[in-house]
Amino acid sequence: LAKTTQPISMDSYEGQEVNITCSHNNIATNDYITWYQQFPSQGPRFIIQGYKTKVTNEVASLFIPADRKSSTLSLPRVSLSDTAVYYCLVGGIYNQGGKLIFGQGTELSVKP
Amino acid sequence: GAVVSQHPSWVICKSGTSVKIECRSLDFQATTMFWYRQFPKQSLMLMATSNEGSKATYEQGVEKDKFLINHASLTLSTLTVTSAHPEDSSFYICSARGTGANTGELFFGEGSRLTVL
Repeated sequence: LAKTTQPISMDSYEGQEVNITCSHNNIATNDYITWYQQFPSQGPRFIIQGYKTKVTNEVASLFIPADRKSSTLSLPRVSLSDTAVYYCLVGGIYNQGGKLIFGQGTELSVKP
Repeated sequence: GAVVSQHPSWVICKSGTSVKIECRSLDFQATTMFWYRQFPKQSLMLMATSNEGSKATYEQGVEKDKFLINHASLTLSTLTVTSAHPEDSSFYICSARGTGANTGELFFGEGSRLTVL
């Protein structure tokens, strides 16, 4: 399974755009890239998933370069409630039983 | 979206007792569920993959006789921590892969916090 590397922590202020980059140099051809958000004492919550180029939904955008060895989660205009740990995961939907291995995650702190 | 529910959300037990945690997919069938544990300030660690109607597949270093997993139906998987000890105190989280339009997305339960005295 592809290993991911993310910054351990990031600080931001309300209203700013936050970009969290994840490295996954040994991503496999059929691997998808998925980002999750986790608040303390809660299960992770799905944010966005992509395979290549750019994906956008109502809460975030995901940028994936052509070589797919990294990805960037973009959170527009963050608020205090976006303070959480963000995990980048790489895995196939059906290979390896579809399991996802969590890396260390990025602890985002949004300040007023 | 698909919902995964865990019960209980928290449990306190005495050392040596067994504790069962349930994980249910509420609006979809999950042939495969995953169990994670998470210690404070750490990431989620995959413990095992639960397959409906067959034996679970455990990750390296996870004792299968200590953490019994039963996936008896397409909507229910259970994790039993046998003869629990204080070092088993942790946050246990289950997840299930979506089906149909949600295929590819992994839905997580709310987690179950186990405290062993």
